[in-house]
Formats: sequence, C-alpha cells, structure tokens
Amino acid sequence: DQQVKQNSPSLSVQEGRISILNCDYTNSMFDYFLWYKKYPAEGPTFLISISSIKDKNEDGRFTVFLNKSAKHLSLHIVPSQPGDSAVYFCAARRAGNMLTFGGGTRLMVKP
Amino acid sequence: GAVVSQHPSRVICKSGTSVKIECRSLDFQATTMFWYRQFPKQSLMLMATSNEGSKATYEQGVEKDKFLINHASLTLSTLTVTSAHPEDSSFYICSARPLGANEQFFGPGTRLTVL
Repeated sequence: DQQVKQNSPSLSVQEGRISILNCDYTNSMFDYFLWYKKYPAEGPTFLISISSIKDKNEDGRFTVFLNKSAKHLSLHIVPSQPGDSAVYFCAARRAGNMLTFGGGTRLMVKP
Repeated sequence: GAVVSQHPSRVICKSGTSVKIECRSLDFQATTMFWYRQFPKQSLMLMATSNEGSKATYEQGVEKDKFLINHASLTLSTLTVTSAHPEDSSFYICSARPLGANEQFFGPGTRLTVL
C-alpha cells in the first residue's frame, strides 16, 4: 500500500517559469510533511517542510502548500532555475519519526 | 544545515563477504538514525530505525541477521551487510534527526556493488 504518491514521474519547465510538484497521501495520521531534492548518487537534501496544522510555508523561491481535506501537498518553485533540475521526493512523517517517501518526480528546468 | 557523513562512499566486494557502512552526524547528536535503500529509479525504502543504546527496529521484509545495525553513540550508527550477495547491490543512505528537530538530514549515500 503506497501511502505517499507522486503521480508525475517527470516534469519539464522553462527557466524562469513556475514548477509545481504534487504529492498525495492516504494516511490521515501523518503530521508533518517534507520535501527533499536529490541528485544522482547523492543523499537527499532537505528543502522545506510543513506541519499539518498549517496550509502554507514559504522559504525563498520554495513554497509548500498543504490541503488536508484533499490529502494533497504541492511544492512551488518560482522562478525555476536550471540548477533546480533534480529528483524531488515528498515525505510524510508518522509515529516514531519515520518518513514515508513518495516515488519522486524528476524535474528538468530548460534554459 | 546539519551534516551527516557516510563512509565509504563506494565499495565493491566479493559475494560472501561482509561490508560495514558508517553513518555519522558531524555537528549534532541523534538518538535516532535511519537506514534506507534505493534501487535505480525507485524511491527510498526505509530498512530500519537505529536507536542509540538499544536494538534497531527493522521494517517488514528486512532480515535483521543480514543487515546488522549498531548505534553505539549519539553520533554514530553502522550498517553491516553480512554475507553479501549480488542482489544486495544498491545505494544505501542513512539519515539522522537532531534532538528536538522535525527534519531528518541525510548522508551522501554508499554505493555497494557485490560481484
């Protein structure tokens, strides 16, 4: 049972435009959500997070939106830059601080 | 941000040998560390949760006798792949959570290739 899903395996965006990465979850017990960025053969890098009591968190070019009723979160990157090209994983935290990861979305930002 | 290191970054070994991977939190203490495995083009799969001073908690389907985890201090956890086989070849990543923090920080990963 895949509790965290990223339905788009890849996304291509023009430099300067907005990138929107989506994530859906099924477990209502998740209380904290995180986005990680990952380059090949490297560990994930923490980007931004949001508590389940909030609906928006912003940090520079990155904004995460949470819609609890829809069990949906999204990561907005604006403006997108070529260096943002990577695989993005959303993760949800459950009891014991264990993270459940989505399958990842490969973002390609074209110059 | 908090820094987590892993050693070695790459290892190639013969089938049947054991390999130890170290995970260290460099600038913070972590009572809990996590070990993940990633197959090509797949997501991160949690293998086990490593608790300082106690036994690790393994996820379903992960053999505890094959993947030995030791969390001897607040800054070091080790994963030993015993009697490695080619199907154990994978990218192993650890993470650690600073005390009181919500985020986990990941190490750079270890590429294991078993011949």
